[in-house]
Amino acid sequence: DGGITQSPKYLFRKEGQNVTLSCEQNLNHDAMYWYRQDPGQGLRLIYYSQIVNDFQKGDIAEGYSVSREKKESFPLTVTSAQKNPTAFYLCASQLTTGGTEAFFGQGTRLTVV
Amino acid sequence: GESVGLHLPTLSVQEGDNSIINCAYSNSASDYFIWYKQESGKGPQFIIDIRSNMDKRQGQRVTVLLNKTVKHLSLQIAATQPGDSAVYFCAENREGFQKLVFGTGTRLLVSP
Repeated sequence: DGGITQSPKYLFRKEGQNVTLSCEQNLNHDAMYWYRQDPGQGLRLIYYSQIVNDFQKGDIAEGYSVSREKKESFPLTVTSAQKNPTAFYLCASQLTTGGTEAFFGQGTRLTVV
Repeated sequence: GESVGLHLPTLSVQEGDNSIINCAYSNSASDYFIWYKQESGKGPQFIIDIRSNMDKRQGQRVTVLLNKTVKHLSLQIAATQPGDSAVYFCAENREGFQKLVFGTGTRLLVSP
Protein backbone atom coordinates (compact mmCIF):
# COMPACT_ATOMS: atom_id res chain seq x y z
CA ASP A 1 0.00 0.00 0.00
CA GLY A 2 1.26 3.46 -0.87
CA GLY A 3 0.70 6.22 1.59
CA ILE A 4 1.94 8.42 4.36
CA THR A 5 2.26 7.08 7.89
CA GLN A 6 2.57 8.97 11.13
CA SER A 7 3.53 7.36 14.40
CA PRO A 8 2.66 7.12 17.14
CA LYS A 9 -1.03 8.02 17.05
CA TYR A 10 -0.97 9.20 20.67
CA LEU A 11 2.07 10.52 22.51
CA PHE A 12 2.53 11.75 26.05
CA ARG A 13 5.43 13.92 27.09
CA LYS A 14 6.61 15.23 30.41
CA GLU A 15 7.37 18.90 30.66
CA GLY A 16 10.98 19.67 29.77
CA GLN A 17 11.42 16.65 27.52
CA ASN A 18 12.07 16.58 23.81
CA VAL A 19 9.95 14.22 21.74
CA THR A 20 10.16 13.15 18.09
CA LEU A 21 7.18 12.47 15.85
CA SER A 22 7.68 10.16 12.89
CA CYS A 23 6.43 10.72 9.34
CA GLU A 24 7.20 8.26 6.56
CA GLN A 25 5.91 8.19 2.98
CA ASN A 26 6.39 5.67 0.18
CA LEU A 27 4.82 7.82 -2.52
CA ASN A 28 8.17 9.07 -3.84
CA HIS A 29 7.06 12.61 -3.08
CA ASP A 30 9.58 15.43 -3.03
CA ALA A 31 7.80 17.85 -0.70
CA MET A 32 6.81 17.18 2.91
CA TYR A 33 5.07 19.35 5.48
CA TRP A 34 4.35 19.50 9.20
CA TYR A 35 1.24 21.25 10.53
CA ARG A 36 -0.06 21.90 14.00
CA GLN A 37 -3.79 21.94 14.75
CA ASP A 38 -5.31 23.11 18.02
CA PRO A 39 -8.89 22.23 18.99
CA GLY A 40 -11.46 24.01 16.87
CA GLN A 41 -8.80 25.72 14.80
CA GLY A 42 -7.19 25.48 11.39
CA LEU A 43 -3.82 24.19 10.21
CA ARG A 44 -0.68 26.13 11.00
CA LEU A 45 2.52 25.37 9.12
CA ILE A 46 5.53 24.45 11.25
CA TYR A 47 8.18 23.38 8.71
CA TYR A 48 8.28 22.18 5.13
CA SER A 49 10.84 20.54 2.90
CA GLN A 50 10.97 20.68 -0.87
CA ILE A 51 13.88 18.28 -1.32
CA VAL A 52 16.20 16.03 0.65
CA ASN A 53 18.63 17.84 2.97
CA ASP A 54 16.70 21.10 2.69
CA PHE A 55 13.85 22.54 4.74
CA GLN A 56 12.29 25.91 5.54
CA LYS A 57 10.54 27.38 8.55
CA GLY A 58 6.83 27.84 8.41
CA ASP A 59 4.70 30.25 10.40
CA ILE A 60 5.24 28.72 13.85
CA ALA A 61 8.69 27.06 13.77
CA GLU A 62 9.85 28.25 17.21
CA GLY A 63 10.37 25.33 19.58
CA TYR A 64 10.42 22.73 16.79
CA SER A 65 13.14 21.15 14.68
CA VAL A 66 13.15 18.84 11.65
CA SER A 67 15.52 16.88 9.46
CA ARG A 68 15.23 15.53 5.93
CA GLU A 69 18.06 13.04 5.52
CA LYS A 70 15.98 10.68 3.39
CA LYS A 71 13.32 11.42 0.81
CA GLU A 72 10.77 9.22 2.52
CA SER A 73 11.23 10.53 6.06
CA PHE A 74 10.59 13.92 7.70
CA PRO A 75 10.68 13.60 11.53
CA LEU A 76 9.58 16.48 13.74
CA THR A 77 11.13 17.10 17.15
CA VAL A 78 9.12 19.07 19.66
CA THR A 79 11.68 20.58 21.99
CA SER A 80 11.39 21.78 25.56
CA ALA A 81 11.48 25.33 24.17
CA GLN A 82 7.95 24.87 22.79
CA LYS A 83 5.82 26.45 25.52
CA ASN A 84 2.50 24.87 24.64
CA PRO A 85 3.13 21.64 22.72
CA THR A 86 -0.18 19.90 23.40
CA ALA A 87 -1.84 19.69 19.97
CA PHE A 88 -2.70 17.49 16.99
CA TYR A 89 0.22 17.24 14.55
CA LEU A 90 -0.28 16.46 10.88
CA CYS A 91 2.30 15.50 8.29
CA ALA A 92 1.69 15.79 4.55
CA SER A 93 3.56 15.00 1.37
CA GLN A 94 3.25 16.31 -2.16
CA LEU A 95 4.81 15.21 -5.44
CA THR A 96 6.29 18.66 -5.97
CA THR A 97 5.69 21.99 -4.31
CA GLY A 98 3.05 22.98 -6.77
CA GLY A 99 0.26 21.76 -8.96
CA THR A 100 -0.53 18.47 -7.24
CA GLU A 101 -2.58 17.42 -4.25
CA ALA A 102 -0.96 16.82 -0.89
CA PHE A 103 -1.62 13.61 1.01
CA PHE A 104 -1.98 13.66 4.79
CA GLY A 105 -1.15 11.18 7.48
CA GLN A 106 -3.65 10.35 10.20
CA GLY A 107 -1.99 12.61 12.73
CA THR A 108 -0.27 12.35 16.11
CA ARG A 109 -1.99 13.72 19.19
CA LEU A 110 0.66 15.00 21.60
CA THR A 111 -0.22 15.67 25.22
CA VAL A 112 2.08 17.18 27.81
CA VAL A 113 1.55 15.65 31.25
CA GLY B 1 6.31 35.14 17.37
CA GLU B 2 3.70 32.42 17.09
CA SER B 3 0.61 33.45 15.19
CA VAL B 4 -2.75 33.22 16.90
CA GLY B 5 -4.99 30.49 15.56
CA LEU B 6 -8.38 31.43 14.22
CA HIS B 7 -11.49 29.64 15.42
CA LEU B 8 -13.42 27.95 12.69
CA PRO B 9 -16.65 29.48 11.35
CA THR B 10 -19.58 27.08 11.31
CA LEU B 11 -22.20 26.38 8.65
CA SER B 12 -25.30 24.53 9.83
CA VAL B 13 -27.63 22.93 7.27
CA GLN B 14 -30.46 20.42 7.16
CA GLU B 15 -30.02 17.03 5.57
CA GLY B 16 -30.92 17.21 1.90
CA ASP B 17 -30.09 20.90 1.54
CA ASN B 18 -27.32 22.13 -0.71
CA SER B 19 -24.28 23.55 1.13
CA ILE B 20 -21.95 26.27 -0.05
CA ILE B 21 -18.61 26.77 1.67
CA ASN B 22 -16.57 29.81 0.73
CA CYS B 23 -12.87 30.58 0.77
CA ALA B 24 -10.87 33.68 -0.03
CA TYR B 25 -7.33 33.03 -1.18
CA SER B 26 -4.42 35.36 -0.81
CA ASN B 27 -2.04 35.08 -3.76
CA SER B 28 -3.17 36.19 -7.21
CA ALA B 29 -0.31 34.12 -8.67
CA SER B 30 -1.71 30.87 -7.26
CA ASP B 31 -2.78 28.56 -10.04
CA TYR B 32 -3.90 25.40 -8.31
CA PHE B 33 -6.55 25.01 -5.61
CA ILE B 34 -7.67 22.08 -3.51
CA TRP B 35 -10.56 21.36 -1.16
CA TYR B 36 -10.02 19.00 1.76
CA LYS B 37 -12.43 17.37 4.21
CA GLN B 38 -11.28 16.64 7.76
CA GLU B 39 -13.30 14.40 10.05
CA SER B 40 -12.75 14.58 13.79
CA GLY B 41 -9.43 13.12 14.90
CA LYS B 42 -8.31 12.30 11.37
CA GLY B 43 -6.07 13.80 8.71
CA PRO B 44 -7.58 15.90 5.91
CA GLN B 45 -8.71 14.02 2.81
CA PHE B 46 -8.72 15.32 -0.76
CA ILE B 47 -12.16 16.16 -2.18
CA ILE B 48 -11.63 18.02 -5.43
CA ASP B 49 -9.15 20.34 -7.11
CA ILE B 50 -9.22 23.00 -9.79
CA ARG B 51 -6.60 24.80 -11.86
CA SER B 52 -6.69 28.47 -12.67
CA ASN B 53 -7.52 27.89 -16.34
CA MET B 54 -10.96 26.66 -15.22
CA ASP B 55 -13.90 28.39 -13.54
CA LYS B 56 -15.82 25.31 -12.51
CA ARG B 57 -15.20 21.65 -11.89
CA GLN B 58 -17.68 18.98 -10.84
CA GLY B 59 -17.25 15.77 -8.93
CA GLN B 60 -19.66 13.40 -7.30
CA ARG B 61 -22.15 15.66 -5.44
CA VAL B 62 -19.49 18.40 -5.23
CA THR B 63 -18.73 21.40 -7.41
CA VAL B 64 -15.88 23.85 -7.04
CA LEU B 65 -16.17 27.37 -8.44
CA LEU B 66 -13.20 29.66 -8.92
CA ASN B 67 -13.47 33.43 -9.32
CA LYS B 68 -9.98 34.74 -10.02
CA THR B 69 -11.13 38.34 -10.27
CA VAL B 70 -12.00 38.49 -6.58
CA LYS B 71 -9.73 35.62 -5.48
CA HIS B 72 -12.63 33.52 -4.27
CA LEU B 73 -13.20 29.80 -4.21
CA SER B 74 -16.36 27.94 -3.23
CA LEU B 75 -17.32 24.34 -2.63
CA GLN B 76 -20.90 23.32 -3.28
CA ILE B 77 -22.20 20.06 -1.83
CA ALA B 78 -25.48 18.81 -3.26
CA ALA B 79 -28.04 16.98 -1.13
CA THR B 80 -25.94 17.26 2.03
CA GLN B 81 -25.86 14.17 4.21
CA PRO B 82 -24.98 13.68 7.90
CA GLY B 83 -21.74 12.01 6.76
CA ASP B 84 -20.70 15.31 5.21
CA SER B 85 -20.34 16.82 8.68
CA ALA B 86 -16.68 17.74 8.97
CA VAL B 87 -14.26 20.64 8.68
CA TYR B 88 -13.54 21.77 5.13
CA PHE B 89 -10.31 23.51 4.13
CA CYS B 90 -9.31 25.18 0.92
CA ALA B 91 -5.64 25.28 -0.12
CA GLU B 92 -3.78 27.25 -2.75
CA ASN B 93 -0.55 26.49 -4.53
CA ARG B 94 1.60 27.74 -7.35
CA GLU B 95 3.60 25.27 -9.33
CA GLY B 96 7.29 25.35 -8.57
CA PHE B 97 7.28 28.48 -6.43
CA GLN B 98 5.18 28.19 -3.38
CA LYS B 99 4.37 25.93 -0.49
CA LEU B 100 0.81 24.73 -0.01
CA VAL B 101 -1.15 27.40 1.89
CA PHE B 102 -4.35 26.53 3.75
CA GLY B 103 -7.34 28.72 4.45
CA THR B 104 -8.94 29.02 7.87
CA GLY B 105 -11.43 26.21 7.40
CA THR B 106 -15.21 25.93 7.87
CA ARG B 107 -17.04 23.47 10.08
CA LEU B 108 -20.11 21.98 8.37
CA LEU B 109 -22.83 20.61 10.66
CA VAL B 110 -25.61 18.60 9.02
CA SER B 111 -28.79 18.00 11.00
CA PRO B 112 -31.07 15.05 10.19
